[in-house]
Amino acid sequence: DSGVTQTPKHLITATGQRVTLRCSPRSGDLSVYWYQQSLDQGLQFLIQYYNGEERAKGNILERFSAQQFPDLHSELNLSSLELGDSALYFCASSTGHSNQPQHFGDGTRLSIL
Amino acid sequence: KNQVEQSPQSLIILEGKNCTLQCNYTVSPFSNLRWYKQDTGRGPVSLTIMTFSENTKSNGRYTATLDADTKQSSLHITASQLSDSASYICVVSEFSGGYNKLIFGAGTRLAVHP
Repeated sequence: DSGVTQTPKHLITATGQRVTLRCSPRSGDLSVYWYQQSLDQGLQFLIQYYNGEERAKGNILERFSAQQFPDLHSELNLSSLELGDSALYFCASSTGHSNQPQHFGDGTRLSIL
Repeated sequence: KNQVEQSPQSLIILEGKNCTLQCNYTVSPFSNLRWYKQDTGRGPVSLTIMTFSENTKSNGRYTATLDADTKQSSLHITASQLSDSASYICVVSEFSGGYNKLIFGAGTRLAVHP
């Protein structure tokens, strides 16, 4: 158990809809990361937050947004969903220090019909 | 362009055998190199993290090596077990703009057969 909790585990919705994925980091971790993993693809970094502030941005679409709240949990919002957005979305957390590991949740599987 | 390339793409070995996975990178400036294990449908789990000054690190039956001069790393698995069947991902950290940006390899998919 990594200590990172992601909800929901599965989400099925239709094109054009909007969804929110939630992540609770490991106790004591200040940094949260979001990743997308499409079928049989590598992990693609989306965005990182540190103690409530956006720290780094990767290949995140304009239709996607995220935030980290004062209690350090984070939400990833996906809007105007397209078929190609179907993927596993992982959240990871770390202390934020450079040589510390990221601890991953088990992901949210998003299916767009 | 900063890249991380892993080989082989996939590998099948018999239980009890050893194997070595390769990772070549062109990331600069380099901060650290990580190996993760990802079981199907689960989140990746950290195996090792090595900085520039470290050339080997072990975690049980997993031993990672790093040659920062040639920009190569390997992950050696000793006495493989069925539970080692997973994808192994090499991740290189680039220090850019005051923070570390992780660049992921595509992974090596390992299948251990009885």
